[in-house]
Amino acid sequence: GDSVTQMEGPVTLSEEAFLTINCTYTATGYPSLFWYVQYPGEGLQLLLKATKADDKGSNKGFEATYRKETTSFHLEKGSVQVSDSAVYFCALSPGDGNTGKLIFGQGTTLQVKP
Amino acid sequence: AAGVIQSPRHLIKEKRETATLKCYPIPRHDTVYWYQQGPGQDPQFLISFYEKMQSDKGSIPDRFSAQQFSDYHSELNMSSLELGDSALYFCASSLRETQYFGPGTRLLVL
Repeated sequence: GDSVTQMEGPVTLSEEAFLTINCTYTATGYPSLFWYVQYPGEGLQLLLKATKADDKGSNKGFEATYRKETTSFHLEKGSVQVSDSAVYFCALSPGDGNTGKLIFGQGTTLQVKP
Repeated sequence: AAGVIQSPRHLIKEKRETATLKCYPIPRHDTVYWYQQGPGQDPQFLISFYEKMQSDKGSIPDRFSAQQFSDYHSELNMSSLELGDSALYFCASSLRETQYFGPGTRLLVL
């Protein structure tokens, strides 16, 4: 079945460092891809999305490009801040008329130190 | 902007008790999803409703049931609670593809 795999955390960076969180997926159809962020004690917030190959999603300095050839959707940010500390989830929504349920990766914890 | 509302935010129950979680989607959203997130785990899809009809079912135990009402709010009913049901339960709503999540209900079963 469809699945998402993320790099294991925690990822610990200093403020202003470059961030990459790897995400790869397995899907039989043409999924849409998402990054959600979860701050401590809070719900999931949509960070960015891409609905077709070569689309680039971006928001708040974060970017991810839908790469069909490598089945990847890696999250990047050029300069992280302490406030970016959170758990990041990569997710897919299977295509081909699927009802839209999200399949999540296991989450990657990011810790940014001043 | 209006967000997804979930109630209660926290719930403590004993084993074998029953719990009801409520979800109020964003106005005009036609689809509601329920997810369960265990401690340190990723959210797992339970069930969804489109225009008040069940549209998909995931790893939802038979002890759980859900429905969506005429005003589009949804309720997740959980019976014969077990310790393993302790988790964060999220509701999400969507109009098209993007799902917007509520803050979750944290259920603790003692």
